Amino acid sequence: DQQVKQNSPSLSVQEGRISILNCDYTNSMFDYFLWYKKYPAEGPTFLISISSIKDKNEDGRFTVFLNKSAKHLSLHIVPSQPGDSAVYFCAASARSKLTFGTGTRLQVTL
Amino acid sequence: DSGVTQTPKHLITATGQRVTLRCSPRSGDLSVYWYQQSLDQGLQFLIQYYNGEERAKGNILERFSAQQFPDLHSELNLSSLELGDSALYFCASSDYSGVPIASQYFGPGTRLLVL
Repeated sequence: DQQVKQNSPSLSVQEGRISILNCDYTNSMFDYFLWYKKYPAEGPTFLISISSIKDKNEDGRFTVFLNKSAKHLSLHIVPSQPGDSAVYFCAASARSKLTFGTGTRLQVTL
Repeated sequence: DSGVTQTPKHLITATGQRVTLRCSPRSGDLSVYWYQQSLDQGLQFLIQYYNGEERAKGNILERFSAQQFPDLHSELNLSSLELGDSALYFCASSDYSGVPIASQYFGPGTRLLVL
């Protein structure tokens, strides 16, 4: 039972354009949502998070949107840069346990 | 560099064997988390320790066990290994015992291959 789903395994975006990564969840008990970025041969790195009481959190080029009624969150990267090419994992927290999605591989092309 | 170290980086072993994966958390972090990432799967939370005590348990098999020592390093023991246990095993550390948990820092992982 996949409680956190990232339905797009891969995404290709041109440099300078917007990247939108999506994530859906099923457990209404999740109270905190996070995005992690992972380069090959490295562990995931925390990118940005949002509490369930908010609907938007922005940090530089990265913005996370949360739609609780739809149980959906998204990560926007504007403008996309080649260094953003990585696998992005969505994660959700309930009682301090993190549940991860399967990841979306973002490729930013020149 | 997250400050979390994991050894070994790679491990190849046979079915039925037992292995131990080691993790040293960032200096000052009291919480250690273990995750498993199988092929095409997200990271599965296995277990969390906080200051030597088990704090939370996820999808950890009975053949797997973990502990956190007084110096705060942690070991994940995998026994009676099966082919399906082949995966990347990540350790993460944090200085919080609960939420918010955005402060988890991941190590580079141990890649386990069971033949």
